[in-house]
Parts: sequence; C-alpha cells; structure tokens
Amino acid sequence: ILNVEQSPQSLHVQEGDSTNFTCSFPSSNFYALHWYRWETAKSPEALFVMTLNGDEKKKGRISATLNTKEGYSYLYIKGSQPEDSATYLCACYSGAGSYQLTFGKGTKLSVIP
Amino acid sequence: NAGVTQTPKFQVLKTGQSMTLQCAQDMNHEYMSWYRQDPGMGLRLIHYSVGAGITDQGEVPNGYNVSRSTTEDFPLRLLSAAPSQTSVYFCASSYFSGRPVEQFFGPGTRLTVL
Repeated sequence: ILNVEQSPQSLHVQEGDSTNFTCSFPSSNFYALHWYRWETAKSPEALFVMTLNGDEKKKGRISATLNTKEGYSYLYIKGSQPEDSATYLCACYSGAGSYQLTFGKGTKLSVIP
Repeated sequence: NAGVTQTPKFQVLKTGQSMTLQCAQDMNHEYMSWYRQDPGMGLRLIHYSVGAGITDQGEVPNGYNVSRSTTEDFPLRLLSAAPSQTSVYFCASSYFSGRPVEQFFGPGTRLTVL
C-alpha cells in the first residue's frame, strides 16, 4: 500500500492570505497524482490530475506543482477566501497500470473572514 | 446528467444484518469504485471495477462484495454488518482510457451499524 502523506493536517488563515500545503509520496514508480477539494457535507471534487515532473496546473487562484523525482506536490491558494474553506486531498496510483488510488488524509483549511 | 448517484443517503443496521448500497452513474464511465471514509483515516478503496463483469479488491475489501453486471451500476453488498463497518461510503466513477483522469464522486451513504 502506497504511503501518501499530507501536511499540515489543518490550518487556519485570514481572508486574503496566501497559503500552501504539501503532499508527499514515494518517488519510485510514480504514475500520477490527483488533487481534490472536499467541502463539508459535499463530495470530493477534482482539482488537478498531474503526471509529469515539473507539471504546474492552475485553476483560478489555486495552483499546484509536481516534483516526481523528490516525491512531493504543493498546492497553493492565492488570496484565500472563506469559500476556499475545505479539506484538500491528494491521491496517487501505485504505479503505471495500477487502477488503485491511495489517498492522503487531507489538509483541512479554514479561512477566517 | 445526474452524475453519480447513491442510495440510501443514511442507513442504520443491526449487527449481522445485510444490505446493499446502490451506486449508479449516467456518464458511461467504465471505471467505478467504492471508498469508505473514517475519521483520521482518509478515503480507503474497498473494491473497484474497470468494466462490466470485471471487479477487483482494493485496500479494505473484507466484509464487502461487489458485482458489475452493467456499465451504469456498481452495488456494494454487506453480507453480515459489523460495527467496524460504520462509516461514510462514497462511490466514484471515471473514464478508463489508459491514462489517469479525474474521478467523479457520489454524495455518499452514511452507515451506522449498531
């Protein structure tokens, strides 16, 4: 079973602050990484699917980078808004041809107005 | 499109009872999966399917059965419920094209086993 770790477990930021958090995964046999956003009482929604070392993806104020050689991905939120409050999950496949996604435990973000 | 639907939304069972959690999708996705979400544990894969007639075990398959007779439906069966199966269950689906793509999640079923 793949070990996917996310840090921090939770954080509180003021509205307007920028923030970032980390997803760490084994660098050997990397295939792809997903980021999901999970709002309370809703279902996880996909943000990004990333496959290549050096990948950078952006959706509005949220962006992500991927370093497959050292086994980490960063998710950045610029100018946090209260509606960004959610748990952010990352998930990895255990290798090319694997159909099993292993999720990290998530980072819970609270944006204080 | 309704997307991924799950029924029921809530269920309370007694230990030893059986039940089926329903999952359906109308996006013609080949890949479907079941996860459970427990406090402090994140989402854990129970079973998955890459097409009708094909299923396989995930990380935590014990106590659960699945079948995939159609592309649209992927029910999860609990044969003899145990308190350890108290959890929130999510079904997810995606295209299966040989490259990784985003998964679409259903609204979840909250199950309590007494």
